[in-house]
Amino acid sequence: QSALTQPASVSGSPGQSITISCTGTSSDIGAYNYVSWYQQHPGKAPNLMISGVSDRPSGVSNRFSGSKSGNTASLTISGLQTEDEADYYCSSYTTTSTYVFGSGTRVTVL
Amino acid sequence: EVQLVQSGAEVKKPGESLKISCQGSDYTFSNYWLGWVRQMPGKGLEWMGSIYPGDSDTRYSPSFQGQVTLSADKSISTAYLHWKSLQASDTAIFYCARRPWGSSSWYFDVWGRGTLVTVSS
Repeated sequence: QSALTQPASVSGSPGQSITISCTGTSSDIGAYNYVSWYQQHPGKAPNLMISGVSDRPSGVSNRFSGSKSGNTASLTISGLQTEDEADYYCSSYTTTSTYVFGSGTRVTVL
Repeated sequence: EVQLVQSGAEVKKPGESLKISCQGSDYTFSNYWLGWVRQMPGKGLEWMGSIYPGDSDTRYSPSFQGQVTLSADKSISTAYLHWKSLQASDTAIFYCARRPWGSSSWYFDVWGRGTLVTVSS
């Protein structure tokens, strides 16, 4: 199972919106609405930001939103803040009852 | 507060065995699947496998099947990740993470802080 494809880096200025794409196949992202997104600051454990494609856990800012179309999922961060600078990983459950993570995207706030 | 507390950093030599642990607190440990995720230095996240502590049912990633063993002792709310013979390429941070209850909950909502394993001669 290959990693889901994410852009290596995305950047934006404070207050702007950015979108991170996550491309998979019909065996993972395209098969179910089981896409999740994690934020990881340097030296820290991953933190759940989005589950079930677009559900935000309690405590996660509504500046974070998720969507999916076909085999591609997306995470949008609106009103970009300096604290959003981190690595972001998508993940999907697959038709072979496994999980696959994305390659990761470094978000830089200019 | 629901927590997963992982064992401390380890430094091992190639060929040695190792078992690291992950203890859950403030929830019914045996009722939730627990996953293990590897992060090699400077790299991304990789799902290794998951275990259901209630009956020790396990699922492995094909990439890790036969390379590691997952186990759990529900009586002490602890899960383990075990290597029989470490290699230098096993150097990484290993996270345990809880999968929430529910048939549509295919994600990890609580993560441990990670255990750094360094394998070097």
